[in-house]
Amino acid sequence: AQKITQTQPGMFVQEKEAVTLDCTYDTSDQSYGLFWYKQPSSGEMIFLIYQGSYDEQNATEGRYSLNFQKARKSANLVISASQLGDSAMYFCAMREGGQAGTALIFGKGTTLSVSS
Amino acid sequence: GAVVSQHPSRVICKSGTSVKIECRSLDFQATTMFWYRQFPKKSLMLMATSNEGSKATYEQGVEKDKFLINHASLTLSTLTVTSAHPEDSSFYICSARDHRGSSPLHFGNGTRLTVT
Repeated sequence: AQKITQTQPGMFVQEKEAVTLDCTYDTSDQSYGLFWYKQPSSGEMIFLIYQGSYDEQNATEGRYSLNFQKARKSANLVISASQLGDSAMYFCAMREGGQAGTALIFGKGTTLSVSS
Repeated sequence: GAVVSQHPSRVICKSGTSVKIECRSLDFQATTMFWYRQFPKKSLMLMATSNEGSKATYEQGVEKDKFLINHASLTLSTLTVTSAHPEDSSFYICSARDHRGSSPLHFGNGTRLTVT
């Protein structure tokens, strides 16, 4: 079974609108971390936001917020006031367990296109 | 902030030759680094976990004799693609985490390998 599921291959949004990118995860660990990364066409991976499994409040970083629903095992990314520069591929990822030496498992990604 | 430097960014080589890709953590020590492979418009697939001073741990299906990983110091890991074939053409990206804390995984800018 997939550990990270991103069901939206592509999303389209107009500038200044908000958009939600979906992510569900599957783990039996109690301690885990959830991440969102942005990958523009240049290929670099840009860290956006992090949510720990024990964090009670949803993470926020500027225009990015993570809608963490633990019971549903979902960690959707919300981008407010979209900008043209937000057009990129977005990956949801999970680190299982609490150890720093654990790799991230990535979802298949969602391509976001922002139009003017 | 923490930076991971990856070189080269692009390389073209002929079939049968070997290519070495370097991944350096510039301002932190990384006892563990990770190597991922990404096909166009696809997810990042973990190839191996590189541990300083010991043998790398390879994911199932990854040929360790073909993808040689060396992690000789706390700031450098190398991936050597031996006897490259056209099917090895891909985007290879390394990542590392500062061992001191639960900081996010930092990525290099990736290496686009083309084997002719």
